[in-house]
Amino acid sequence: SAVISQKPSRDICQRGTSLTIQCQVDSQVTMMFWYRQQPGQSLTLIATANQGSEATYESGFVIDKFPISRPNLTFSTLTVSNMSPEDSSIYLCSLGTSAYEQYFGPGTRLTVT
Amino acid sequence: GENVEQHPSTLSVQEGDSAVIKCTYSDSASNYFPWYKQELGKRPQLIIDIRSNVGEKKDQRIAVTLNKTAKHFSLHITETQPEDSAVYFCAANQAGTALIFGKGTTLSVSS
Repeated sequence: SAVISQKPSRDICQRGTSLTIQCQVDSQVTMMFWYRQQPGQSLTLIATANQGSEATYESGFVIDKFPISRPNLTFSTLTVSNMSPEDSSIYLCSLGTSAYEQYFGPGTRLTVT
Repeated sequence: GENVEQHPSTLSVQEGDSAVIKCTYSDSASNYFPWYKQELGKRPQLIIDIRSNVGEKKDQRIAVTLNKTAKHFSLHITETQPEDSAVYFCAANQAGTALIFGKGTTLSVSS
């Protein structure tokens, strides 16, 4: 299966600042998604990262707050903008190498103070 | 859009007992139903899945069943072991789209 890496693995940020999270895959994948997992909660879909076009956001998530890039089939970034303590979560990229199975990156643990 | 309900939220069993976790989904167009296991501090790991053209799938001690008419699917773990203790998530989607997850079940297996 594909090897997925995320950078950074964790960060502590001050409110009002922005953080860009990178997701890198060692092979080309068609599907790539970003999820948020708040402490003790389930996984919530933020957006589908579309290669070469604007991401598709879920209800409650907007591009100004969570801009996403996907310049090619192996790489994507998620930026958490103008952070507040409520943004403290684990952010995970997920990808599919076929139409079915999807796998998660190791996650980025973000703490906003 | 799809909505996935998962029960129970917590489940405690003795080692060697069976554990069953149940999920329902709302979108009749969904055709893929995976289960993920998440240990503390780790990423969710895909442990088993089922597609809508199959009613049951088994892999050693774990099995998944699907009832398309009732729109529910279940995870069955037999002969539970302490290392089965984790949070389990069910999910559903139409193949090729993002997964929608249930709220999770915390399984505790005591020896």
